Amino acid sequence: DAKTTQPPSMDCAEGRAANLPCNHSTISGNEYVYWYRQIHSQGPQYIIHGLKNNETNEMASLIITEDRKSSTLILPHATLRDTAVYYCIVRVATRGGNNRKLIWGLGTSLAVNP
Amino acid sequence: DTGVSQDPRHKITKRGQNVTFRCDPISEHNRLYWYRQTLGQGPEFLTYFQNEAQLEKSRLLSDRFSAERPKGSFSTLEIQRTEQGDSAMYLCASSKDRGYSETQYFGPGTRLLVL
Repeated sequence: DAKTTQPPSMDCAEGRAANLPCNHSTISGNEYVYWYRQIHSQGPQYIIHGLKNNETNEMASLIITEDRKSSTLILPHATLRDTAVYYCIVRVATRGGNNRKLIWGLGTSLAVNP
Repeated sequence: DTGVSQDPRHKITKRGQNVTFRCDPISEHNRLYWYRQTLGQGPEFLTYFQNEAQLEKSRLLSDRFSAERPKGSFSTLEIQRTEQGDSAMYLCASSKDRGYSETQYFGPGTRLLVL
């Protein structure tokens, strides 16, 4: 079972920031938080990941709370092309052979409106 | 930058037929994953390879499913005696060993419809 909880849907106005929350209250100290998105009928697209520090790249920012029990993905200026299902996933950090799979929930369906 | 490619993109088959899908990972990525996604659900893990070795298989991967990765390059996923319940999007992802943290990059998927 997925170890994360996300709201099923959200709306955002074009040009505004989209803040997508994720709850991962049972996260372990060695688990990373990953975010992917999936635009209709396409393969998932990697966005960003982090362990405990906030992260930023050209697509988004990831804010992880100090207790690591929740995080927020921020799309600073949402466009219509950001309309997609956004998945928050926790995965154990391992150098071993197993536990590398991603376990997906249902994600948040983000609608960016003009 | 060449991403993960999958072939075919769409496949329609009749129940009982065999189908084979191909995945070409990003160059130099030593890990390759297969996932399956049905409508309205998140992807589900099927199996994963490190180089040519198949290291993990899901219980979803029944004996009608087989995956190979000869020479650690491209991979094939074969479904024998297809059933209507096999209708889904089959996704391939690849990654490169970066120690404790790795990122899986996905292909466009192969959409299978079993009639």
